[in-house]
Amino acid sequence: EAGVVQSPRYKIIEKKQPVAFWCNPISGHNTLYWYLQNLGQGPELLIRYENEEAVDDSQLPKDRFSAERLKGVDSTLKIQPAELGDSAVYLCASSLDRRNTGELFFGEGSRLTVL
Amino acid sequence: DAKTTQPNSMESNEEEPVHLPCNHSTISGTDYIHWYRQLPSQGPEYVIHGLTSNVNNRMASLAIAEDRKSSTLILHRATLRDAAVYYCILRGGNTDKLIFGTGTRLQVFP
Repeated sequence: EAGVVQSPRYKIIEKKQPVAFWCNPISGHNTLYWYLQNLGQGPELLIRYENEEAVDDSQLPKDRFSAERLKGVDSTLKIQPAELGDSAVYLCASSLDRRNTGELFFGEGSRLTVL
Repeated sequence: DAKTTQPNSMESNEEEPVHLPCNHSTISGTDYIHWYRQLPSQGPEYVIHGLTSNVNNRMASLAIAEDRKSSTLILHRATLRDAAVYYCILRGGNTDKLIFGTGTRLQVFP
């Protein structure tokens, strides 16, 4: 069974440019998460989806970040314009549902470098 | 959200048992204790979780104190592949949030 797939694995851009990350969750998983991980820190939740609905986006910087999950499957996270401080790893995860006993499955992440 | 406290780093020799501690003094009755680990250049992966009783699976064991204010992840025989950052996380109530701290970096020496 395929795991959570993210692309691209690496992206280098200049500041003020736009960037987008794509995530394909495990088939049948209703809940999808985007996390941000800075160097030496644990992941921080940006947004959580239940099917196509964003149910927790309180930590998403909405002035420059946007996300969508059309049809409740794949998801895209966009940054426009990117700033130097956005350099980090962006992790996508999925789970069957939102139960607090459930397991989250993470992708390998997309590493962004902003120059 | 209740928080956890873990040592920044620990060391072990290969094939020895490892006990990774976690303090969570503000845990509530509905909080589950989850452990994830993150290998270099990988996303986190689930290790184990429990509520009150000790738990065992193929990866590790989880020992939970009787008052639930602390827990210990036990790797019975450390391998080089177990070198990772281990996160102890509380997840409870009706929230699906998984809130990570900075975790414990485990080094395993041959």
